[in-house]
Amino acid sequence: DTAVSQTPKYLVTQMGNDKSIKCEQNLGHDTMYWYKQDSKKFLKIMFSYNNKELIINETVPNRFSPKSPDKAHLNLHINSLELGDSAVYFCASSQSMASPEQFFGPGTRLTVL
Amino acid sequence: GQNIDQPTEMTATEGAIVQINCTYQTSGFNGLFWYQQHAGEAPTFLSYNVLDGLEEKGRFSSFLSRSKGYSYLLLKELQMKDSASYLCAVNSGGYQKVTFGTGTKLQVIP
Repeated sequence: DTAVSQTPKYLVTQMGNDKSIKCEQNLGHDTMYWYKQDSKKFLKIMFSYNNKELIINETVPNRFSPKSPDKAHLNLHINSLELGDSAVYFCASSQSMASPEQFFGPGTRLTVL
Repeated sequence: GQNIDQPTEMTATEGAIVQINCTYQTSGFNGLFWYQQHAGEAPTFLSYNVLDGLEEKGRFSSFLSRSKGYSYLLLKELQMKDSASYLCAVNSGGYQKVTFGTGTKLQVIP
C-alpha cells in the first residue's frame, strides 16, 4: 500500500544510453513532481504536472522528457545520458497545486558511468 | 531569483533543544516548509507556515517572520533518531513552485 512508488530503485548505465524512471501514486492526488538531488544533497525541482498537464519546467535540458499518461503516473525519460545526470531522482505528489504537503517516493539512484 | 540560506551542519546533545535557522529572499511568497530527510531516504513533511508566528507540533515547532524573511525549526527533547538533514523550502509564485535550501545536517550525540 505504498503511497508514492518509483521503479527502479537503482539504475546503473553507460553514458549515451536512454533510460526511464517510473512513478505511481495511489493517493488520488492531482499534482505530481520530479526532483533531482545531487551529490551535495541539493534538492531541485525539475517538473510538475497537474492533472496530466505540465505546469513547471525548470530549464531542464530537453534530453529529459516527462510523460503523464494519467494523473496517477508521471514517468521520466532521459535520452543520451551524461555523467552529470548521476543523482537521486525523487518523484512526489500533492493533493492539488494549492496543497502544501508533498509526499515523496523512495527515490531512484541513477549512476552514469 | 530565490536565495535560501541555512547552516550546513549542526551538532546537539540528546535531550537538549536545537534551533535550525533559515533565511530566504523571494518574490511571490506563499509559505515555507520544513522537511526531514534521513540519509538514503526520501524527505518527509514536518511543517508548513503561511502566517507569521510559531506553530507547535509535538516536539517540533516552526516559526515564520515574513517581514524578515526568516524561519526556524525548533526541536525539543532531542532523540538520537532526530539525526537527519532538515530542509527549509519556500513555496512561491502562482504555480506554487517549491525551492529547497541545501539542508542542515543535524547530528545528535549522546
